Amino acid sequence: DVKVTQSSRYLVKRTGEKVFLECVQDMDHENMFWYRQDPGLGLRLIYFSYDVKMKEKGDIPEGYSVSREKKERFSLILESASTNQTSMYLCASSPGTEPHSNYGYTFGSGTRLTVV
Amino acid sequence: AQSVTQLGSHVSVSEGALVLLRCNYSSSVPPYLFWYVQYPNQGLQLLLKYTTGATLVKGINGFEAEFKKSETSFHLTKPSAHMSDAAEYFCAVSDSLSGGYNKLIFGAGTRLAVHP
Repeated sequence: DVKVTQSSRYLVKRTGEKVFLECVQDMDHENMFWYRQDPGLGLRLIYFSYDVKMKEKGDIPEGYSVSREKKERFSLILESASTNQTSMYLCASSPGTEPHSNYGYTFGSGTRLTVV
Repeated sequence: AQSVTQLGSHVSVSEGALVLLRCNYSSSVPPYLFWYVQYPNQGLQLLLKYTTGATLVKGINGFEAEFKKSETSFHLTKPSAHMSDAAEYFCAVSDSLSGGYNKLIFGAGTRLAVHP
C-alpha cells in the first residue's frame, strides 16, 4: 500500500558534504516534488519534475539540485551541505498534467536532515 | 499567484469540543482546495479536497470543510475533538504553472492540541 518512499528517516551530515536524498514512488505518477518544511514557514517548494529528465526550480532552489533519470525516482542533491539546510524534507508525487489539476499529492514520510 | 493564509499557528481545544481551523485563500481563478494532516514524524496525509460541485466537503476521521467563495475561505471543522486529532494541519490551493502543470501552495500550518 506504500506509495512514496524516502530512503532515510533521519540523516546527520557534516558541513560541506554532498548529500543525496532519494525518493521513489510506485504509482506511475508523472509529477514529483521536493519540499522543505520548517516551523512557522510551512512547506516551501525546492524543485519539481513533471517528466523524466525534466526539472523545474521551485521557490527556494538555491543550494540544491535534482535528478530524475527514471519516472519513479526523484533525487534531491545538496551540493555542499550547510547548517541552514537543516530541515525536514518531504517528497511528493501526483498524476496528470491538466491545469488546475484536482489531484492531491501523495507524500513520503519525510527525511529529517541535520547538518552539523 | 495563489496564496493561502491559515489563521492561528496553534489551536487548543478540549476533548469533545468543536474543532475549527481557519483557511483563507487568494486565487484569480476557481480554486482547487485541500486540507492535509501531519502526525508527528510523518508525511502529510490528504484529509479532504474541494474541486467542483457541493461546497461542503466531507473527509476522513469526521472532518469536513466548506468552500465559501464570497469569503474566500475553506475552514476545516470537526464537531467533537478526539485526542488522536492532535496533529498539524495544512491548507493548500492548487496553482497553475506555465505549460499547464500544477503545483500546490501550502499555508504555514496550524498545530492542533487536544487536552482532556
